[in-house]
Amino acid sequence: TQLLEQSPQFLSIQEGENLTVYCNSSSVFSSLQWYRQEPGEGPVLLVTVVTGGEVKKLKRLTFQFGDARKDSSLHITAAQPGDTGLYLCAGVGNNRLAFGKGNQVVVIP
Amino acid sequence: DSGVTQTPKHLITATGQRVTLRCSPRSGDLSVYWYQQSLDQGLQFLIQYYNGEERAKGNILERFSAQQFPDLHSELNLSSLELGDSALYFCASSARQRETEAFFGQGTRLTVV
Repeated sequence: TQLLEQSPQFLSIQEGENLTVYCNSSSVFSSLQWYRQEPGEGPVLLVTVVTGGEVKKLKRLTFQFGDARKDSSLHITAAQPGDTGLYLCAGVGNNRLAFGKGNQVVVIP
Repeated sequence: DSGVTQTPKHLITATGQRVTLRCSPRSGDLSVYWYQQSLDQGLQFLIQYYNGEERAKGNILERFSAQQFPDLHSELNLSSLELGDSALYFCASSARQRETEAFFGQGTRLTVV
């Protein structure tokens, strides 16, 4: 059983469109991280959210941590082909990261 | 460049064989983590070492073992390989014992034939 469920698993959109992907769990985490992984590379940390209800912005990416610290969303505004990648959420608990399977995002030029 | 180096980048081997994957953490990082990534299971935590000592174990098979050396580099040993062991193996490092921010290497793609 996956501790973190990410949806949708796969999303393909046109350049310039907006998208939102989700990371859900029944567990409470002390914090939650989002990573982006490109083909042939390891995951790269984008952001860490710590406080329930917290919203963080990274250029065109907006990350939100749920009030109960069990879920998170990532919204991309005006997606660019460079946003293509596998977005992984990871819950921090018991001094360990638990990863979801990821949201594969493809932005078509 | 994350500063974490993994070798080799690709490895093809036969069932029943044994391989060793190597990881050099970022300069100054004491913690090393090993992960296995497959299409159906996603990124699965295998094991963590901190300053040479095993700190946490995840879904690591008994056929697999790891160690961290005094110079802080780490090796993951996979033995009696099976087809299902084919996957990407990632090493990550962090400065402290707590895995609050991990920096990943580029991974080793293992193919067992």
